[in-house]
Formats: sequence, C-alpha cells, structure tokens
Amino acid sequence: DAGVTQSPTHLIKTRGQQVTLRCSPKSGHDTVSWYQQALGQGPQFIFQYYEEEERQRGNFPDRFSGHQFPNYSSELNVNALLLGDSALYLCASSLGTGIGKLFFGSGTQLSVL
Amino acid sequence: DAKTTQPPSMDCAEGRAANLPCNHSTISGNEYVYWYRQIHSQGPQYIIHGLKNNETNEMASLIITEDRKSSTLILPHATLRDTAVYYCIVTSSNTGKLIFGQGTTLQVKP
Repeated sequence: DAGVTQSPTHLIKTRGQQVTLRCSPKSGHDTVSWYQQALGQGPQFIFQYYEEEERQRGNFPDRFSGHQFPNYSSELNVNALLLGDSALYLCASSLGTGIGKLFFGSGTQLSVL
Repeated sequence: DAKTTQPPSMDCAEGRAANLPCNHSTISGNEYVYWYRQIHSQGPQYIIHGLKNNETNEMASLIITEDRKSSTLILPHATLRDTAVYYCIVTSSNTGKLIFGQGTTLQVKP
C-alpha cells in the first residue's frame, strides 16, 4: 500500500517564476492538505482540499493556489516566487476533513534563487 | 486551537524510557492532544492522540493529566531511530488542520 507520494523531491527556481508541486494521497484517503516548512521551523498549514474544493486556508497569499482532481490527487501552485518561498512543501492526506491523524509525504524541497 | 509549550530539547539514553512533556493550559473541552514526530529529511509521522484518557499503541503511551492542562508522551524503550523532533498539537476534531510549534528535539544517545 503506497503512502503519500510527492513529486518532484527537489526543485530549483528563480524569483518571479511559477512552480507546480504534485501529491498523490494514501490509498483510500479523500482529503489533501498542504504545509510549508521553513528551515528550523514547524510546518505551517497552507490549505486543505476535499471534494475538489478548497475547504480551509491558512495565512498564505493568493499566490498560493491549489487543485484537487477526481482521483483525489492534488497540486500546489505558487506564482511569482519570492526568495522567502524556499522551503520544504509537505502534502498530507486523511479520510475526511475533520481528522487530526494525517499521513505526510516526504515533501518537495523548493529552492528559490 | 490551544497553544502548547514544549522544552526545546531533551536527551535520552538508548534503551531507557523517554518522557516528553507538553503544557496546554488553555485546552478546551473538545480539543484533542496529538503527537507527531519528524525524523530528519522526512515528513511528520503520527504517533498517538487522546482526549481525556491515557492511550497506548505500538509506538508510545500518552498520559494526560486529570485537568487536561498537560500531557506526557512516553517512548518506553528509546532507540537511536527515535531521534527526531516531537510535536505536541492541540486541536478540535472539526478543524482538520494542525498547528505545529517548534517541538522538542529528542536526541537518543548510545
């Protein structure tokens, strides 16, 4: 049973560019959440997707957007990249939206130069 | 969600029990206590959660005080592979999002 898979594992972009990160949830899970983890900090909640809609959003600008597909996989898009967007981006899946037991992927390490 | 306070770091000898404390004095009646850990270069891993009663699973035990203002995560026989950052999180069941603090860095030493 595959867990949460994320791609790519590493990515290097320059300021102003756009990036798309991908996530496949654990088999049987229907909810995907995205987190940003800066170096030395705990993960910060970006948003949550369920039934192909954004259900909750953290304190992140509109440059951060997402999508969930009918097969429950998800994408995180970041436009107009800033140096401060350099971080580990984590995807987590769960069965249902009100569940605190999340399964995390290993993340995508994004470096913005 | 209630705020949690954890010591920034702790050491534990291999084979001994690791007891990780967490204070959550402002916890509400419908809020659960969750513990996650993050091993270097990996995503966080769920360990255990509880509401009022003590809980035990194959990974750890969770002891919650009667007033629910604090809790302790117990790893009964710590191994080197338990070296990680441990996060204590308090959240209600209907939010679906986790608010991570700085956590406790546990170093298990031979």
